[in-house]
Amino acid sequence: AQKITQTQPGMFVQEKEAVTLDCTYDTSDPSYGLFWYKQPSSGEMIFLIYQGSYDQQNATEGRYSLNFQKARKSANLVISASQLGDSAMYFCAMRESLSNDYKLSFGAGTTVTVRA
Amino acid sequence: SQTIHQWPATLVQPVGSPLSLECTVEGTSNPNLYWYRQAAGRGLQLLFYSVGIGQISSEVPQNLSASRPQDRQFILSSKKLLLSDSGFYLCACSGKWDEQFFGPGTRLTVL
Repeated sequence: AQKITQTQPGMFVQEKEAVTLDCTYDTSDPSYGLFWYKQPSSGEMIFLIYQGSYDQQNATEGRYSLNFQKARKSANLVISASQLGDSAMYFCAMRESLSNDYKLSFGAGTTVTVRA
Repeated sequence: SQTIHQWPATLVQPVGSPLSLECTVEGTSNPNLYWYRQAAGRGLQLLFYSVGIGQISSEVPQNLSASRPQDRQFILSSKKLLLSDSGFYLCACSGKWDEQFFGPGTRLTVL
């Protein structure tokens, strides 16, 4: 079964507007971590933001914020004040349990195109 | 903070030829290391991971193998490449907390 689901293959957003990228996850572990990565056309994977399952507050990092709804098992990424440089593919990922392997499961990704 | 090096950056190889991709890490010790493959426009598939020297776990059966001869060196190999081995290969290492940091990747084309 798919552990991470990203239902939006592609999105367009106007410069300076906010955009929300959807991510739902599936796990029975009580302890897990959720991540968002950005992959520009160059291919590098850039870590953006992290949310722990026990964190009481939504994570924020600059223009990125994670809308964590634990009961719904969703971890949407919100990018505020979009910039042209935000055009990229975005991946949601999850690490389950407290095992020492720290394996991540990735979603299929969402391509964001910012329009001027 | 850690830095991950991968080489080569791009590679074009004929079917049936061998493969060796190298990944080295700086700025950390005893990291967990990972090899991922990404098909064009798709998500990442975990191929191998290692929690220490000589310790390799395989996630999917394939004609690829991995080795970790040194603490901060991770090698992906194949004796005979297949067309389906084409893709973008990313090496990653574990961060101080839960995150993974990625190298710049190697684009492999098998013809």
